[in-house]
This record gives sequence, C-alpha cells and structure tokens, in this order.
Amino acid sequence: NAGVTQTPKFRILKIGQSMTLQCTQDMNHNYMYWYRQDPGMGLKLIYYSVGAGITDKGEVPNGYNVSRSTTEDFPLRLELAAPSQTSVYFCASITGTGELFFGEGSRLTVL
Amino acid sequence: KQEVTQIPAALSVPEGENLVLNCSFTDSAIYNLQWFRQDPGKGLTSLLLIQSSQREQTSGRLNASLDKSSGRSTLYIAASQPGDSATYLCAAGGSNYKLTFGKGTLLTVNP
Repeated sequence: NAGVTQTPKFRILKIGQSMTLQCTQDMNHNYMYWYRQDPGMGLKLIYYSVGAGITDKGEVPNGYNVSRSTTEDFPLRLELAAPSQTSVYFCASITGTGELFFGEGSRLTVL
Repeated sequence: KQEVTQIPAALSVPEGENLVLNCSFTDSAIYNLQWFRQDPGKGLTSLLLIQSSQREQTSGRLNASLDKSSGRSTLYIAASQPGDSATYLCAAGGSNYKLTFGKGTLLTVNP
C-alpha cells in the first residue's frame, strides 16, 4: 500500500515551458487535492476533485489545469511556466472521515 | 472566507517540557480540524483529526482540543523530545473537505 505517490520529486523548468505533475493514490479515495506551499505562506489549494470526471477550482487555480479520468490518478498540468509558479506542490487524498493523506511533494523551480 | 492563524510562529523549549500550540479560525462552520506535522523537505503527516462534533482527540503524548464557538484549537505535547522538532500545521475543514491551512509553528526541542 503506497498511499499517495507524486512524480517527479524535483524539476527545473524554463519560463514558458509546460509540464505535468503526476499523482496516484491506491486507497480508492474519491476526493483528491493539489496544494502549493510557498515559504512562510502555508498551503494554498489549487484544484480539487470529488471523483472521476469531476474537478473544481481552489483558491489559486490560475496557470494550472487538472483532469481526473480515473479514481487513482489526478495529474496537475502547468502551462507556460512562470517564476511565480516556483513552489513545492503537494497532492493529497482524503478518507471518508476527512483525514487527509499527502504525497511527499514535488519541488518545482522555474528559471 | 476562512482564515487560520497559528501562534506562535516559532517556539524553542528544553527537552521534557510540556507545551501548547495555538490555532484560531475565523469561520466556526467547520466540518473538522486537523493537525499535521511537517519535517524539513518532507510532506505533511496527519497527527490528529477532530470532527466538528468532538471536543478533543488524543494520540500518545499529543492531545488536541477544539472549541468551535470561540474558533480555537490547541495542540498539547507532553514531555517534549528532540524528535518532536518539526513544523506543526493546523487546518480547518470546510465543504468538500477542503482544508484551509495556517502558516505553521516551527517547534525546536533542545536536548
């Protein structure tokens, strides 16, 4: 039982490039989330999904897109990367009682 | 809009001391309140989850309380150890289990 798995763990992008952060969970959770964490700023919700085929915006969705074709996978797409997207990205899924499980994070630098 | 504040931002204590971390939230209409631990460069680990109908939860040396009417939660750590050194974050759960995070308290326990 791997829990929530994120790839890649580290990535450096040039301004204007695009990439996808992968997230997979093997706990059959319906609800999944993408957060970003900036130093001293806490975590901000980017997008979330309540089940396959259903996604919605969080607090800071601009510059990102998501899809949810299966229960297991919830990839986050960055289009036209900007320095402001330099951050640590966390994927999470939630149990039926509301307990959140996080992946190890993906550290992205945009230069 | 829910806002979560954690005080203090940093705390340094000698080993063996009992300590309290504070969390306040502006909207009392929460579904739950969750405490997390984050080690440097790592993801978040769930410590305690308090449902809105509960007043407290305990796990080992940790005890978390919730007072919805006053918008406060506390995390009590008994007999602190150097291994407890980490950042502790609280998060208030809203609709669709979306969590609003505080910025965290950086705890250092000195041997």
